[in-house]
Amino acid sequence: QSALTQPRSVSGSPGQSVTISCTGTSSDVGAYNYVSWYQQHPGKAPKLMIFDVSKRPSGVPDRFSGSKSGNTVSLTISGLQAEDEADYYCCSYAGSHRFVFGTGTKVTVL
Amino acid sequence: EVQLVESGGGLVQPGGSLRLSCAASGFTFSSFWMHWVRQAPGGGLVWVSRINTDGSLTGYADSVKGRFTISRDNAKNTLYLQMNSLRAEDTAVYYCTRDISPTSGSYSNYWGQGTLVTVSS
Repeated sequence: QSALTQPRSVSGSPGQSVTISCTGTSSDVGAYNYVSWYQQHPGKAPKLMIFDVSKRPSGVPDRFSGSKSGNTVSLTISGLQAEDEADYYCCSYAGSHRFVFGTGTKVTVL
Repeated sequence: EVQLVESGGGLVQPGGSLRLSCAASGFTFSSFWMHWVRQAPGGGLVWVSRINTDGSLTGYADSVKGRFTISRDNAKNTLYLQMNSLRAEDTAVYYCTRDISPTSGSYSNYWGQGTLVTVSS
């Protein structure tokens, strides 16, 4: 049950778009659409940003979008804003009532 | 307002046991799947365990299977995590989370503030 692989960090200027990748295997990301993304600001509890690969919970701006291709899912933040600077984690169902998180990506707004 | 309040964390020696509790309010506790997620100091999120609405279905991360037990008391609106044979690598903030809807068992839409478990001699 290895963690999903994410880039350590990504950065962008305000207004730009950034994309975070999350790579798993055919046993987790590739097998199920139960994939989510979480945002975590320092010292705070995580916040659900995307579920079911591409759906947004109520209150999450439509600047955040998700997609999937094979064993990789991606989170795109369009129109980057200062408050988007945070850590982001993907998470996938891995079968047998188990889940696995990604390694986490730090997004920096330049 | 949905509230999840964890308690029971603290310092415990390697090999020891601890039981975490999560008091839920502001929603119909018995209708939602619940999860435990942990985060080591300076580390990433790690999914720990999940339980369905009536406690009949549970799942565990390989790293805790056989040592941790998740349970719930719907009459008391409380989620539990019994942790036995604790190791240094179990040191983390443990979050109690609630799923996004009564028909879902896969997401953590509400999070508690977390309780710190430190395993050290």
